[in-house]
Amino acid sequence: RKEVEQDPGPFNVPEGATVAFNCTYSNSASQSFFWYRQDCRKEPKLLMSVYSSGNEDGRFTAQLNRASQYISLLIRDSKLSDSATYLCVVNAIKAAGNKLTFGGGTRVLVKP
Amino acid sequence: DTAVSQTPKYLVTQMGNDKSIKCEQNLGHDTMYWYKQDSKKFLKIMFSYNNKELIINETVPNRFSPKSPDKAHLNLHINSLELGDSAVYFCASSQGRPRVYEQYFGPGTRLTVT
Repeated sequence: RKEVEQDPGPFNVPEGATVAFNCTYSNSASQSFFWYRQDCRKEPKLLMSVYSSGNEDGRFTAQLNRASQYISLLIRDSKLSDSATYLCVVNAIKAAGNKLTFGGGTRVLVKP
Repeated sequence: DTAVSQTPKYLVTQMGNDKSIKCEQNLGHDTMYWYKQDSKKFLKIMFSYNNKELIINETVPNRFSPKSPDKAHLNLHINSLELGDSAVYFCASSQGRPRVYEQYFGPGTRLTVT
């Protein structure tokens, strides 16, 4: 089983609609969780952290379910510019240093 | 005012050759990383350096050798290139404390081995 698993998509979303997708992780000792965004042929960029209580950043809402070991991302009022691959990222703090483990990404295509 | 830069952006070479990729960050971060993103888009960490000291060394063939001359630079040298080395290699940096998870990535080096 992969450490971090995501539905690769693509999720085809009409402009203005809401889209949500999950990511599961296998290491119960994982301590921190994030969503990164990667545009086509570009580098990944941090989108937002995911807190236990759930958190919102504008149209983006992230949630963490430790019991079921998954995190989610919801995008409201989708814009064309939201088209990208969303990478689920898990941080396990080890003696050797922090190590981020990336999921394979969920591709979102927002269409007019 | 590029934060993390990599050279070259594209690299096409033949099997068996030796090549290097350079990375520089001007963010004042103390930790730098090399990642490999394969054709299936999985991003996997290869190495991590903190203040020029190697702290993460994943299971990577010893044909790959990172070198950090100072904390602003992390280079990657690859010996005897193989077809399977074709991928996009990303350099990244972060500040060790406390926002170690906020990694800033370079634009990537697209390596094609023929």
